[in-house]
Amino acid sequence: DAKTTQPNSMESNEEEPVHLPCNHSTISGTDYIHWYRQLPSQGPEYVIHGLTSNVNNRMASLAIAEDRKSSTLILHRATLRDAAVYYCILRDPQNTGNQFYFGTGTSLTVIP
Amino acid sequence: DTEVTQTPKHLVMGMTNKKSLKCEQHMGHRAMYWYKQKAKKPPELMFVYSYEKLSINESVPSRFSPECPNSSLLNLHLHALQPEDSALYLCASTHPHVNTEAFFGQGTRLTVV
Repeated sequence: DAKTTQPNSMESNEEEPVHLPCNHSTISGTDYIHWYRQLPSQGPEYVIHGLTSNVNNRMASLAIAEDRKSSTLILHRATLRDAAVYYCILRDPQNTGNQFYFGTGTSLTVIP
Repeated sequence: DTEVTQTPKHLVMGMTNKKSLKCEQHMGHRAMYWYKQKAKKPPELMFVYSYEKLSINESVPSRFSPECPNSSLLNLHLHALQPEDSALYLCASTHPHVNTEAFFGQGTRLTVV
């Protein structure tokens, strides 16, 4: 299983942008970068994923470094409901043994 | 329907009991997963089923026995558990071999007494 490294915790003020980094220096060419978040007492929830190009959806943006060894999840305006643990996961859909393995994640605190 | 439904939500069982956790999805996903999550820790992958066949077993003790009776249903049979097995058990599903997201259930909170 491919490895990712994230800061244990981050803080953000409400309504300000948040940049959550993830390092994945051993990423292979066929690994997709996925982000999930887990709110307290809930199951993980999909946020966004991408391969090489930056991606945007209604929840967030994903910025992927040109060498793909790191990526950043961007929440454009943090709300209190964004307080969660955010997980960066690598997955190669063509590799049966490469599944959704969770790293330690980043616990995001949003300050009112 | 984009839900993964897990039952029961909470379960308390004795160490000599036999119980089962159930997971159901109707999204046509042919990959289904069981995870174990201890408090303040990330989910740990236990089992993966692909097209109803067990494809990954992460060295899980035999007191946990998974079963995938059809493409919509995933069970986890529990027998002779230990108090340290108390945790949140999560189920997930996705399309195997396709670049898409996984959907997670809300979990079963298991307490072994």
